[in-house]
Amino acid sequence: KQEVTQIPAALSVPEGENLVLNCSFTDSAIYNLQWFRQDPGKGLTSLLLIQSSQREQTSGRLNASLDKSSGRSTLYIAASQPGDSATYLCAVFPNDYKLSFGAGTTVTVRA
Amino acid sequence: EAGVTQFPSHSVIEKGQTVTLRCDPISGHDNLYWYRRVMGKEIKFLLHFVKESKQDESGMPNNRFLAERTGGTYSTLKVQPAELEDSGVYFCASSQDLSGTSLNTGELFFGEGSRLTVL
Repeated sequence: KQEVTQIPAALSVPEGENLVLNCSFTDSAIYNLQWFRQDPGKGLTSLLLIQSSQREQTSGRLNASLDKSSGRSTLYIAASQPGDSATYLCAVFPNDYKLSFGAGTTVTVRA
Repeated sequence: EAGVTQFPSHSVIEKGQTVTLRCDPISGHDNLYWYRRVMGKEIKFLLHFVKESKQDESGMPNNRFLAERTGGTYSTLKVQPAELEDSGVYFCASSQDLSGTSLNTGELFFGEGSRLTVL
C-alpha cells in the first residue's frame, strides 16, 4: 500500500524567501507524480506533473524534482509571494491508477 | 475549454436523507475519478470510471454509496442514507485515456469539490 508523507505540515516564511516542500512515498513503482495547490474552500489546481521517466519539471518560479529510487520529490518555489500562501499537496499515481495523496503542507508567506 | 465541474458546491442534509452529487468531466476525458476528504484526513480514492464502466471501486466505503456514469459522460455519486461520518469534501477528477502515448501524461484535473455536511 502506497504511503505518501509531506514534511513539514506547515511553513511560514517572509516574502522573497525560497520555499522547499518535501514529499516521500513508499512504493517506487509509480506512473507519475503530481503537485497540486489548494486554496481554502477551493478545488485542487495542478501545478506540475512529473512522469516516472523524468527527473524534474519547471514552470515559472516552480521546480519539482523526482527521485524514484529513493521515493522522494521536492517542490521548490523561488522568491515566494503572499499569493503563494496555500496548501500544497503531493500525489503519487501508481500503476493501478489510484492516486495517493499526502496530507499537504500549508504555506504562509508573510508580506 | 471548461474544466471539471461539480454540483452542488455545498449540501447540508440530515442523517438518513439522500444526496446526489454530480460531476461533469472535461470533454473527451474517458477517465473519471471520485475522491473524498473527510475532516483531518488525506484525500482518499473512491472509484474510477473508464467511460461508462467502473474500473475500480475498491475505495467506496460501503453499499450506501452508489456511483454511476451513464453514457460515459457525467457521473453521479449518491449517498443513501447519509450518515454523520459521510461529511467531507467529495472531489471529482478526469483525465485522458491512459494509453501511454507520448502526448498523454495521465495528468488529473480536479473540480472544485462538493462539500457535504450531514447533521
